[in-house]
Amino acid sequence: DTGVSQNPRHKITKRGQNVTFRCDPISEHNRLYWYRQTLGQGPEFLTYFQNEAQLEKSRLLSDRFSAERPKGSFSTLEIQRTEQGDSAMYLCASSLLGAPYEQYFGPGTRLTVT
Amino acid sequence: GENVEQHPSTLSVQEGDSAVIKCTYSDSASNYFPWYKQELGKGPQLIIDIRSNVGEKKDQRIAVTLNKTAKHFSLHITETQPEDSAVYFCAASIGKSTFGDGTTLTVKP
Repeated sequence: DTGVSQNPRHKITKRGQNVTFRCDPISEHNRLYWYRQTLGQGPEFLTYFQNEAQLEKSRLLSDRFSAERPKGSFSTLEIQRTEQGDSAMYLCASSLLGAPYEQYFGPGTRLTVT
Repeated sequence: GENVEQHPSTLSVQEGDSAVIKCTYSDSASNYFPWYKQELGKGPQLIIDIRSNVGEKKDQRIAVTLNKTAKHFSLHITETQPEDSAVYFCAASIGKSTFGDGTTLTVKP
């Protein structure tokens, strides 16, 4: 296993369309996090899972955003009715339950909403 | 919620010099403080971390210090090399992480 993977790496979509991103964590990692990063800023926490349970959601995660981790392995992040303000890098990270703070990030999915 | 401030936002040094980046945090419950290096087009890479029960940690040319009383922590890079050029982020964590806004480090050959 070479680390956290994310697909697609880039997504260009028109305003109003729905998009879905996928994250595959490091195989033995129980926790999975989603962050959003805009240009010149640090990553901002969106949500995290422990196995298949979504334990916390940020206020940044509006009703248009939904995340799932159905079998406690990969996760998907869906954005419905995209807006230009959703343009950002969406980062996924994973960690071991026994070492929950050591988060390892994937390469991110860059979303551009036109 | 937690708030992390990071300074400076840009830092330029000559190869071989030292670089220091400082962060402050607001939530005394934060107990884990990682530092990440992010290169263009890549996700953040964990380079070193420190826990709240430790005051200093070193790994080769990189060291971190933590002052829990003052709620600040710092990254020190010695003998900088051009490949150290990147954006560096500090974070304060209690599970989820709150990040600073980053420091763009440029090491001139």
